Amino acid sequence: NAGVTQTPKFRVLKTGQSMTLLCAQDMNHEYMYWYRQDPGMGLRLIHYSVGEGTTAKGEVPDGYNVSRLKKQNFLLGLESAAPSQTSVYFCASSYDRERGYSNQPQHFGDGTRLSIL
Amino acid sequence: LAKTTQPISMDSYEGQEVNITCSHNNIATNDYITWYQQFPSQGPRFIIQGYKTKVTNEVASLFIPADRKSSTLSLPRVSLSDTAVYYCLVGDARVRGSGYSTLTFGKGTMLLVSP
Repeated sequence: NAGVTQTPKFRVLKTGQSMTLLCAQDMNHEYMYWYRQDPGMGLRLIHYSVGEGTTAKGEVPDGYNVSRLKKQNFLLGLESAAPSQTSVYFCASSYDRERGYSNQPQHFGDGTRLSIL
Repeated sequence: LAKTTQPISMDSYEGQEVNITCSHNNIATNDYITWYQQFPSQGPRFIIQGYKTKVTNEVASLFIPADRKSSTLSLPRVSLSDTAVYYCLVGDARVRGSGYSTLTFGKGTMLLVSP
């Protein structure tokens, strides 16, 4: 049981390049999330998904797109990277439906460190 | 969404009990209180969650007064490895007919444990 796995762990991009961050969870969770964390700040929600095929905007969605084609995967895309998107990106998942209707905590991956020059 | 206020930093020594208080004056009836711990270069890790009174697990205790306008995370006999950032979150993170309510991570409390 690996939990939440993020790939890649590190990446350096040039301004204007595009890339996709991959998040995979093996806990059969319904909800998945993408956050960014900048120095001295807490985590800010970029996008989230409450089920396969559905996505929604979070607090800071501009410049990012997401897709949830499979329940276990949540992809975060940067179409044209900008230096302001240099950050650590965390993926999380939650809510095992078999545990019933409850306020279940989020499980996080270990992050992707992205630098944009 | 209920806003939370917690100290920016706290210092302690090994073996002491540490209590971190979080204020959430506008907590809603359906809101739960959840605490996470984050080490450098890692994602946050769930510590404890509660709705009212007291909750205890193998890691920590969570004290919630009757009015639920604050909560206190208690870490018994801390060690150097407890040095981390602790986040208090308040909300009802469940899908309901009115939609999904996301939780907000603030800046957290940086706990530094010294020898």
